[in-house]
Amino acid sequence: GNSVTQMQGQVTLSEEEFLFINCTYSTTGYPTLFWYVQYPGEGPQLLLKVTTANNKGSSRGFEATYDKGTTSFHLQKASVQESDSAVYYCVLARYTGGADRLTFGKGTQLIIQP
Amino acid sequence: NAGVIQTPRHKVTGKGQEATLWCEPISGHSAVFWYRQTIVQGLEFLTYFRNQAPIDDSGMPKERFSAQMPNQSHSTLKIQSTQPQDSAVYLCASSWGQGALSAETLYFGSGTRLTVL
Repeated sequence: GNSVTQMQGQVTLSEEEFLFINCTYSTTGYPTLFWYVQYPGEGPQLLLKVTTANNKGSSRGFEATYDKGTTSFHLQKASVQESDSAVYYCVLARYTGGADRLTFGKGTQLIIQP
Repeated sequence: NAGVIQTPRHKVTGKGQEATLWCEPISGHSAVFWYRQTIVQGLEFLTYFRNQAPIDDSGMPKERFSAQMPNQSHSTLKIQSTQPQDSAVYLCASSWGQGALSAETLYFGSGTRLTVL
């Protein structure tokens, strides 16, 4: 089956620090990979997606590289702001078993201290 | 574009009562998804529709949960005989549904927080 692992349940940083959120996945073939972000009281919203292996996606200063070799899709940002505080989900999308499926990681809560 | 609209935002029911949750997808979107979110389990897929037809309900608890999409502008999730363990945020999402859904962006509503006492 498909699986997504986010080892960090919570990350706490100060403003302007470097962000790294770990994500690894397991599947067959070539999935599409997403990062969704969820702010309090809202549903998740797309942050970025990458459809092709070994390509990089970027949005709002965040970037992630779809690494087929290491089956990873880590999220990075050079300098975080307090407004980046949210929960970040790594998501795998794959057509399997006759149905399209999204597999969500458990999420990483990012807390930015002013 | 108002986005995906879910009503009510909060619902409190007593154990054993019925709860109906409503979702209005983005106009023009033909795929509608339901997810359940809890602290312990995270985001769990429940079911989805494409062009109003049920495609995959493999995540739905079989006995008390049902979902319908009577027209392209709304979907409902009904929970009969609610139990405390049904307490969660129920999220609806839609997408264009024109190609491979696995590559499409999902647009989520803000969710309905269900509390079963």
